[in-house]
Amino acid sequence: SQKIEQNSEALNIQEGKTATLTCNYTNYSPAYLQWYRQDPGRGPVFLLLIRENEKEKRKERLKVTFDTTLKQSLFHITASQPADSATYLCALVTGTASKLTFGTGTRLQVTL
Amino acid sequence: NAGVMQNPRHLVRRRGQEARLRCSPMKGHSHVYWYRQLPEEGLKFMVYLQKENIIDESGMPKERFSAEFPKEGPSILRIQQVVRGDSAAYFCASSPVTIGLSADTQYFGPGTRLTVL
Repeated sequence: SQKIEQNSEALNIQEGKTATLTCNYTNYSPAYLQWYRQDPGRGPVFLLLIRENEKEKRKERLKVTFDTTLKQSLFHITASQPADSATYLCALVTGTASKLTFGTGTRLQVTL
Repeated sequence: NAGVMQNPRHLVRRRGQEARLRCSPMKGHSHVYWYRQLPEEGLKFMVYLQKENIIDESGMPKERFSAEFPKEGPSILRIQQVVRGDSAAYFCASSPVTIGLSADTQYFGPGTRLTVL
């Protein structure tokens, strides 16, 4: 069966450290993968998109990697800040489908 | 430059009533998507619409749920005879193009939180 797995347990890290979040998928062949941030009571906000033929993408303190052999994406936040505390969602788009298929998200808590 | 707008933000209905959720996409966007987020679960795709057309409704429950995106006005997600299990956050998103054909993102609204008593 198809699955998108993110670490369901909250990730607690200290301010200034690098947070690394994992997204693993099975039985999908995504054309591209996206990462979103969701704060409580709000809609998801787009962060980064990476295509199947790209290995890595960066935007300011954010970095995403995409390994289609391992069927895994890693999402890194460097020099993390308390304001980075939120739930982070990975989402796949396959073929010409026009829907996003989301993982369950990982809650990140950055403490002082 | 207003984002995706949804109303109401909170909706309370008793079992058996109807719920109507509205979504106005971003200016210039003609593609609308509806997702549902149940408590402690991820976002699940429900339906994808373009103006006056339902393109993909593979995530919609077969009964009681319907969606439309008329030529004029917002997209509407309608739930008839609501049950407690319909309590969830319903998010609308829009995009300017078909994201499957062009790697583009979807822009989400703030959601409507439906509570069924």
